[in-house]
Amino acid sequence: KNEVEQSPQNLTAQEGEFITINCSYSVGISALHWLQQHPGGGIVSLFMLSSGKKKHGRLIATINIQEKHSSLHITASHPRDSAVYICAGGSQGNLIFGKGTKLSVKP
Amino acid sequence: EPEVTQTPSHQVTQMGQEVILRCVPISNHLYFYWYRQILGQKVEFLVSFYNNEISEKSEIFDDQFSVERPDGSNFTLKIRSTKLEDSAMYFCARKLEQGASYTFGSGTRLTVV
Repeated sequence: KNEVEQSPQNLTAQEGEFITINCSYSVGISALHWLQQHPGGGIVSLFMLSSGKKKHGRLIATINIQEKHSSLHITASHPRDSAVYICAGGSQGNLIFGKGTKLSVKP
Repeated sequence: EPEVTQTPSHQVTQMGQEVILRCVPISNHLYFYWYRQILGQKVEFLVSFYNNEISEKSEIFDDQFSVERPDGSNFTLKIRSTKLEDSAMYFCARKLEQGASYTFGSGTRLTVV
């Protein structure tokens, strides 16, 4: 059964801190997605990874295929980064979602 | 890339009533999905739709649910007889091709009373 596990479940940081969110996934998942969900509920796609590393602004996503592990990093965190970050695994079909990490960045 | 708009943004309905959730507009994308998120829980897959046919569906997607693209643009999810446990946020998603990233709709919050 395909599964996606995230940690931590909740994360509180001070503005400016470097943040890491981790995701482990099972066999059968060939691409890993990082998504952001704001309090209003809308979901925004941040990254899709099948290998290596991607960077967009202050966000960096990495994936280790052998270990079936991915990380999302936020550098110089800001209160506007506060949201739920979700990793989701995909193969040929639909996405399997993790439970999400609720990030709160304090000023 | 154009956003995916869902309507309505919030719907309250009586138990047993039919609801239709819409995903508009859809341009030249081929792959469409409905997901739902019950409050406080993770997002769950409902159904995928490719080439105007259901390509995959989950256990949640029983006979009470149906999907269609009635006019080649809108992508709809119909729940025939709503139950209290259908209360959730429903997201449509699309992608241009296999292996592409997803674009999610803004969501419809369905409340069944």
